[in-house]
Amino acid sequence: NAGVTQTPKFRILKIGQSMTLQCTQDMNHNYMYWYRQDPGMGLKLIYYSVGAGITDKGEVPNGYNVSRSTTEDFPLRLELAAPSQTSVYFCASSSPRLAGGETQYFGPGTRLLVL
Amino acid sequence: AQKVTQAQTEISVVEKEDVTLDCVYETRDTTYYLFWYKQPPSGELVFLIRRNSFDEQNEISGRYSWNFQKSTSSFNFTITASQVVDSAVYFCALSERLGSSNTGKLIFGQGTTLQVKP
Repeated sequence: NAGVTQTPKFRILKIGQSMTLQCTQDMNHNYMYWYRQDPGMGLKLIYYSVGAGITDKGEVPNGYNVSRSTTEDFPLRLELAAPSQTSVYFCASSSPRLAGGETQYFGPGTRLLVL
Repeated sequence: AQKVTQAQTEISVVEKEDVTLDCVYETRDTTYYLFWYKQPPSGELVFLIRRNSFDEQNEISGRYSWNFQKSTSSFNFTITASQVVDSAVYFCALSERLGSSNTGKLIFGQGTTLQVKP
């Protein structure tokens, strides 16, 4: 199993450009998440999905969009990139647990610089 | 509001020393889950442990051990006989349920940077 993979590893964007961060998992996990990590900080949730066709906003969704057409893929779209979106983006996935508290497994991250 | 505090921003130790990373959390939930993740210099996040609120037994895994104390809302992490490879940022996290869904988001502390010198 490759686990959670993310592409690209690093990208520089100009202000106003758009791009899609790719995330794929091969663990057949229903749940997927996008987080961002700003320098010296913990991660904050951008969007999440509990299954194909179902997405919802997290804590910091503004400026981003997601889609979930398959169980494996959960791309994150940045429209009109702004310097405030300079961050490291992590995708994660987990398997449902009735009791909650499922462990989230993270991809290697995408480092994004907006200039 | 749910919150995780890691008051130690940076810790530096010499190899073979023991080191404890502190984590204090706030939650209104009676059932909750706590996690520790390691972020080595390469940047990925590595899952270390999950603990639920009903299990207050300490856990040991090799050189790693965790002390969960509900009375003080703490979930501290100790590395015994530290090694250079332990150098990383360590995050404590609390799972918070997302609305009516069955999943939760992780609320992260700010992380503790551990430097182990040879």
